[in-house]
This record gives sequence, structure tokens and C-alpha cells, in this order.
Amino acid sequence: EDKVVQSPLSLVVHEGDTVTLNCSYEVTNFRSLLWYKQEKKAPTFLFMLTSSGIEKKSGRLSSILDKKELFSILNITATQTGDSAVYLCAAIIQGAQKLVFGQGTRLTINP
Amino acid sequence: EAQVTQNPRYLITVTGKKLTVTCSQNMNHEYMSWYRQDPGLGLRQIYYSMNVEVTDKGDVPEGYKVSRKEKRNFPLILESPSPNQTSLYFCASSLGLAGVTGELFFGEGSRLTVL
Repeated sequence: EDKVVQSPLSLVVHEGDTVTLNCSYEVTNFRSLLWYKQEKKAPTFLFMLTSSGIEKKSGRLSSILDKKELFSILNITATQTGDSAVYLCAAIIQGAQKLVFGQGTRLTINP
Repeated sequence: EAQVTQNPRYLITVTGKKLTVTCSQNMNHEYMSWYRQDPGLGLRQIYYSMNVEVTDKGDVPEGYKVSRKEKRNFPLILESPSPNQTSLYFCASSLGLAGVTGELFFGEGSRLTVL
């Protein structure tokens, strides 16, 4: 059974801290991994990772994929209260045209 | 503005009363999909469609139907809703997961309560 597991499920930090969110996957015919941020409603796209070891960056956010160890991490540096959200990762399964999502990590940034 | 539009956004209904949640996208995307989101379970795929008249089951298709008669629309049909279908539903679209982008664009969500 295809599975994506995120950890931790919940994280509370202070503004300015750096956080690392984890996403591990066990899927057949893995193609790519996506990260999303979900605040009030619809998830918004952050990164797509297909190649191992290549870091993607967007401002204070960065992410990398390890296809040998089957995981990805999402780093957020100098966190702000606006970073409070649920962060979702999802594996795209090649050929099956479907995504398998993890449970999400709820990140809370306290002022 | 590029968007995925779902309706209704909120609905309370009773067991057995057929309902349809509409989804429309204006980005000319081939791929569309429906997900339900439940606490502790993340997003689970219900059905997806690679193109007009091409649909396939996701991980939790029981109790749902879909159709794709036009490229822009992908309605989700609950023929006989039951309380275990109470959930937050998302429609999403993409140019196509076979392509390089793979980004899914999500609608705002439809919160359904079945009494």
C-alpha cells in the first residue's frame, strides 16, 4: 500500500526559530514530491521535487529530496506568525496519475 | 483570474438526499481530481480524470460518482449521502501529472455535513 508519513504531526515554536518538517514515503513508481501550505482553506503550492539532492528555495523556505532514503524535508528559517499553517506533502505516482498525501504537520508560530 | 471554483461551499443535508458538488476550472487543464480531507487522515483521493470522458477511481471512491463531459467541469455526485461522508471536499486541477509542472490548483473547498 502506498504511504506518505509526515512528522511531527504538530509543532509549536517561537517567532524567529528555524523549523524542519519531515516527509517520508513508501510508494510504487515514485515520480515526484510536492509540498503545500494550507492556512484557512485551499492548499497552496510551495515546491515540486523530482531530482534527489537538489535544493529548492523560495525566500525563507527550502526543501530537498532524498530518493535513496525516501524522504524530503521542508525548512523554514526565521519563522514568522504568518508561517502558521498545516504543511502537506504528497507523492506523485508515475503512471497512476494520482497523488498520495501525508497527514500534514500543523505548525504554530507564537510571537 | 485563473481559478478552480466549487459550489456549494457549505452544505448541510440529510441521509439519502442526492446532492452534487460542482467544480469548474478556467485554466484549460486536462487533469482534475476530487479529494476529501478528514482530521488525522490528510487528503484522500476520491476520483480523478485525465481528460474528457476519462475518469478513474482514487483511494476512497465508494459512495461517490463523477462525470467529465466537458473539459472545464468535474462534478462530484453523492447519490445517497451517509453521515460518514461528512467531510471537507476539495476539487483540484492540473495541466497533467505526466507533465513537468505537476502542480495542483485547488478550489476553496466544500464543507459537507450529512445528518
